[in-house]
Amino acid sequence: AQTVTQSQPEMSVQEAETVTLSCTYDTSESDYYLFWYKQPPSRQMILVIRQEAYKQQNATENRFSVNFQKAAKSFSLKISDSQLGDAAMYFCASGSRGKSTFGDGTTLTVKP
Amino acid sequence: DAMVIQNPRYQVTQFGKPVTLSCSQTLNHNVMYWYQQKSSQAPKLLFHYYDKDFNNEADTPDNFQSRRPNTSFCFLDIRSPGLGDAAMYLCATSREVRFYTDTQYFGPGTRLTVL
Repeated sequence: AQTVTQSQPEMSVQEAETVTLSCTYDTSESDYYLFWYKQPPSRQMILVIRQEAYKQQNATENRFSVNFQKAAKSFSLKISDSQLGDAAMYFCASGSRGKSTFGDGTTLTVKP
Repeated sequence: DAMVIQNPRYQVTQFGKPVTLSCSQTLNHNVMYWYQQKSSQAPKLLFHYYDKDFNNEADTPDNFQSRRPNTSFCFLDIRSPGLGDAAMYLCATSREVRFYTDTQYFGPGTRLTVL
């Protein structure tokens, strides 16, 4: 069984600043992936960044990076140089054996 | 472009009247999912197909059923919609690589209204 917890229902950031979204997970699987997905208002969900659990190096995609702490089962998302288009709901998810488990999401507001 | 397509985007049905939502994909992914999402909550997995193998979540009501006639298409049937079934229904696909569940690609969703 997998559980994913996002403790911040809402976050806000000033444009051009940096924000970190938190996520913790629990799984009995030894092989799994971790994901951050973005769901803008009234738009479809898309992948932001992915981390293979067997890799120690933190994944990075342009302004998005993760801090993956496997022993602590923590997987936070850092957004640098925040842009207005980053405003969305962000879901943390873990995936193994054919399905993913999602956290409850964090709504990110970007202030101009 | 390879993608996940859902039809219709908006569906209105009457209480108790059966409805079918459809999903197609051009990604040739072996896994397809149906999620229910209410009011900016987390997507709730209803069931998924690993190739032709159907996997039902334990808490998915019997009112919900699914069909996957081939790799590209998957259908969600709601036999007798209730007011509580009004939601956004998301279809997604992914590759299963060994035991890893890879990135999911989501469709735009079908918003179901029950009158």
